[in-house]
Amino acid sequence: AQTVTQSQPEMSVQEAETVTLSCTYDTSESNYYLFWYKQPPSRQMILVIRQEAYKQQNATENRFSVNFQKAAKSFSLKISDSQLGDTAMYFCAFMKLHTGTASKLTFGTGTRLQVTL
Amino acid sequence: ETGVTQSPTHLIKTRGQQVTLRCSSQSGHNTVSWYQQALGQGPQFIFQYYREEENGRGNFPPRFSGLQFPNYSSELNVNALELDDSALYLCASSRTGNTEAFFGQGTRLTVV
Repeated sequence: AQTVTQSQPEMSVQEAETVTLSCTYDTSESNYYLFWYKQPPSRQMILVIRQEAYKQQNATENRFSVNFQKAAKSFSLKISDSQLGDTAMYFCAFMKLHTGTASKLTFGTGTRLQVTL
Repeated sequence: ETGVTQSPTHLIKTRGQQVTLRCSSQSGHNTVSWYQQALGQGPQFIFQYYREEENGRGNFPPRFSGLQFPNYSSELNVNALELDDSALYLCASSRTGNTEAFFGQGTRLTVV
């Protein structure tokens, strides 16, 4: 079974600053995906960024980037130039690759990020 | 292209009752997954439906059941409700072979 651990229950960052959210995971699989999802007060989970385990290059999406360390089973999210709209719960998630159909997500417990003026 | 929609948005039920939650998947998506998110926790996988059949189940008792219809919409049924069933229930749809899941806004179930 896979586990995902987010050790930072809450974090705060000032607008325009940079913040890094931590995530570690445990798996015996070699082929998998890792995700960061954002859940604002509207409750809808929104995909922020995705990383394929077989790719060494870290994924980036505009102001969001990851530091993927496969050997260490670490997957942190860096948010640059933080904006007030980034205030939300952030969940790290793991998906084991299955052929044929989509697979389930295993989530961490989340980090509540507050962006302040 | 319509997104994932869930109904109702909020629901209050009494312990022992039964409840049905509904989910319309995003256009073109043939797989639906259901998650339970307790307060202050991450979502937990309940089960997944593909081509109208259950395709994987998490650690939930049989009183949690589901259906998927030919148009790929889905229902989650919970019998004999318990207080611990109070949670946000999230539906996510995806396309075969695609890892990206699109979530609805959830149904907040309160059992009293």
